[in-house]
Amino acid sequence: SQELEQSPQSLIVQEGKNLTINCTSSKTLYGLYWYKQKYGEGLIFLMMLQKGGEEKSHEKITAKLDEKKQQSSLHITASQPSHAGIYLCGADYNAGNMLTFGGGTRLMVKP
Amino acid sequence: EPEVTQTPSHQVTQMGQEVILHCVPISNHLYFYWYRQILGQKVEFLVSFYNNEISEKSEIFDDQFSVERPDGSNFTLKIRSTKLEDSAMYFCASNRGLETQYFGPGTRLLVL
Repeated sequence: SQELEQSPQSLIVQEGKNLTINCTSSKTLYGLYWYKQKYGEGLIFLMMLQKGGEEKSHEKITAKLDEKKQQSSLHITASQPSHAGIYLCGADYNAGNMLTFGGGTRLMVKP
Repeated sequence: EPEVTQTPSHQVTQMGQEVILHCVPISNHLYFYWYRQILGQKVEFLVSFYNNEISEKSEIFDDQFSVERPDGSNFTLKIRSTKLEDSAMYFCASNRGLETQYFGPGTRLLVL
């Protein structure tokens, strides 16, 4: 089974709608990172979560890490076309050396 | 704002040829990484590098791959004899350790 699974794989929402992307790990995380990738481009850092129950927000994006540190969600409020892209979660399992990535969630926002 | 840069942005090579991908990490960072992403697949870790040596590598990073920090600013990934399956986007990343890895824009490698 996969170490890190994201859902959904793809999402199409109407502009202005809220949405949630989930990232579930098969084992306890040391840290969880959210990145955004535009097709064929690099990864843009969004947020990093380390403590169980932690929640962080930046503009209209909120990310949470559950108490058991095995699941994270990314929530976008009032989506805009600029939010479109591929959202990747990356797991740090052993304090820093390598990240294990999920398969990504492709988000399209219809104007 | 400082960022990781990578050159070239695109590289086309013949199977069996050697390629070197170049990265300039953020200047005060100490840990450097290479990842790859085959089209339509996950981003995969290749190798991490600290204090002039490899600190961790994945199964993908076999004897055909090597990394080097030839001077105080560059970090390179060499593929000695490219195979068709090496075609991918290669990302360099860096950090100061135990914190966010910042990624470059990638080099798209196509092996024909």
